[in-house]
Amino acid sequence: DTEVTQTPKHLVMGMTNKKSLKCEQHMGHRAMYWYKQKAKKPPELMFVYSYEKLSINESVPSRFSPECPNSSLLNLHLHALQPEDSALYLCASSQAPGTSADNEQFFGPGTRLTVL
Amino acid sequence: GENVEQHPSTLSVQEGDSAVIKCTYSDSASNYFPWYKQELGKRPQLIIDIRSNVGEKKDQRIAVTLNKTAKHFSLHITETQPEDSAVYFCAARPGGSYIPTFGRGTSLIVHP
Repeated sequence: DTEVTQTPKHLVMGMTNKKSLKCEQHMGHRAMYWYKQKAKKPPELMFVYSYEKLSINESVPSRFSPECPNSSLLNLHLHALQPEDSALYLCASSQAPGTSADNEQFFGPGTRLTVL
Repeated sequence: GENVEQHPSTLSVQEGDSAVIKCTYSDSASNYFPWYKQELGKRPQLIIDIRSNVGEKKDQRIAVTLNKTAKHFSLHITETQPEDSAVYFCAARPGGSYIPTFGRGTSLIVHP
């Protein structure tokens, strides 16, 4: 299996809702990433997990809360979002950091989030 | 940190023409340079990459060149087809990091 999967594909939520985005990979990758992407802009790094530990948090507001339950799964919990948080949320994975591998990133299809 | 500049932001060509997208980077220790293609509504997909010990790499109609001295790398697409229309992102991985820094993207439009 050489794919990263994400659910749901689309999500519409109100500003008071709580929802979660899910990401899964079975390539044995030990680095997993959350990116936020606005239309025709580059992916903007939010969080990085390395060996299931949070290694990078790019000053993301606390209304976004990541979780890595195991080496294959990555979640992003959403609460009290703002309309400007509407975007495509991409998950990615790559081989173990610190190895000699090239660490190509594999992206999931994304979740299109709309906050009303 | 690493800074990646990408030009042009939009590129419009006729089918069959060549297209060239250029990127510059700031960290001389950067050692890996991937290029991603993202079609409308789809995920970014790696189309070609180059490592710092190589000057050029080709895969069918696409090629990438790297000039380490000048700290720039370019994507070349020959015989463009309408299905090449997409946003292309270059990236550079700084030395000592496993996380790439992306350029701002180039919207390529190939007119039939």
